[in-house]
Amino acid sequence: GAVVSQHPSRVICKSGTSVKIECRSLDFQATTMFWYRQFPKQSLMLMATSNEGSKATYEQGVEKDKFLINHASLTLSTLTVTSAHPEDSSFYICSARDGREVNEQFFGPGTRLTVL
Amino acid sequence: GQNIDQPTEMTATEGAIVQINCTYQTSGFNGLFWYQQHAGEAPTFLSYNVLDGLEEKGRFSSFLSRSKGYSYLLLKELQMKDSASYLCAVLDSNYQLIWGAGTKLIIKP
Repeated sequence: GAVVSQHPSRVICKSGTSVKIECRSLDFQATTMFWYRQFPKQSLMLMATSNEGSKATYEQGVEKDKFLINHASLTLSTLTVTSAHPEDSSFYICSARDGREVNEQFFGPGTRLTVL
Repeated sequence: GQNIDQPTEMTATEGAIVQINCTYQTSGFNGLFWYQQHAGEAPTFLSYNVLDGLEEKGRFSSFLSRSKGYSYLLLKELQMKDSASYLCAVLDSNYQLIWGAGTKLIIKP
């Protein structure tokens, strides 16, 4: 199956700093990438959907100025958590959809963010 | 609104069979997925159903009834490593995944 990577896998940062998370599709072109957040013992929550070359579509309640998403190429999307605070500590997961097969999303391994 | 319901937690015995149910109400339907998620890891794909009926894949099977808005995941010959959360997700008319809250499956020896 298709492979999606995420970097870093874990990050610890101080409150007020910004953190960038990269999501890459390694062996296919991802026309659409999704960013999810998951708090402990809860299900995945979709944060935003990004299509290559266009602005991301954010879910209700997600601040677009705080969670900056860039999908500059067909294989790379980035999520930047700006001015991170302890309540932003969570598990962030990206997934990517192959433009030729719209019915399946391939998940990255996730990034554990801890804000002190 | 869109809604996916599945039990919060289930317990089963090693070697036994367990069935995890999922009911859904969504705007449109383009298929139903089951994912397995171990703690601290991303979800991994288990199955995809778009037509009514049973899909079997090794120890795991998934069933779908579109008229009833119902699916189940059947796990046979349970092993300790099957302890995980199982997520039901429906692809709606916009090809967006709508997620259930997940069922935590606890396997006891």
